[in-house]
Amino acid sequence: NAGVTQTPKFQVLKTGQSMTLQCAQDMNHEYMSWYRQDPGMGLRLIHYSVGAGITDQGEVPNGYNVSRSTTEDFPLRLLSAAPSQTSVYFCASGAGASNEQFFGPGTRLTVL
Amino acid sequence: RKEVEQDPGPFNVPEGATVAFNCTYSNSASQSFFWYRQDCRKEPKLLMSVYSSGNEDGRFTAQLNRASQYISLLIRDSKLSDSATYLCVVAGKSTFGDGTTLTVKP
Repeated sequence: NAGVTQTPKFQVLKTGQSMTLQCAQDMNHEYMSWYRQDPGMGLRLIHYSVGAGITDQGEVPNGYNVSRSTTEDFPLRLLSAAPSQTSVYFCASGAGASNEQFFGPGTRLTVL
Repeated sequence: RKEVEQDPGPFNVPEGATVAFNCTYSNSASQSFFWYRQDCRKEPKLLMSVYSSGNEDGRFTAQLNRASQYISLLIRDSKLSDSATYLCVVAGKSTFGDGTTLTVKP
């Protein structure tokens, strides 16, 4: 099993560009989530999903969209990148929100 | 007030020392708690779950105090390899603390 995979590992964008961060898991987990981690800070929840077709906002959802068309995939879309979105983005999955979460290796995003 | 607050740290301890971290949470209805370890901004990995009865795994002990709404992590006989950032998590709402950085020195 690959666990949770994320692509790309690194990305540089210009202000105003859009892009999609990919996340996939092969553990048949219903719960998936996206976090961002800024230097010296913990993880902040952006969006989460409790199953295919169901998504909801986390603590810091502005500027991001998600969809969950399959159990395996949970892409995160940046609509119009801003320098404030420079961060490390982690995707995670678990059997449920109250269970252990397994994290992907992260995407390091820089917005110029 | 943040939903989850951790000891700010950093903690710098010699090898062999015992060190403890605390983490307070604001939602008294919270049911599930975890400690994760994060190395050099790599992905967090589960260290241990926190049960009402406490949980021990080798040199690591996690405790839950519902009355005072905090969880703790005790590390005995610290090793150089324990140097990392430790994150407490209140599951359900997936709320992470900001992390406590531990550096174990020779």
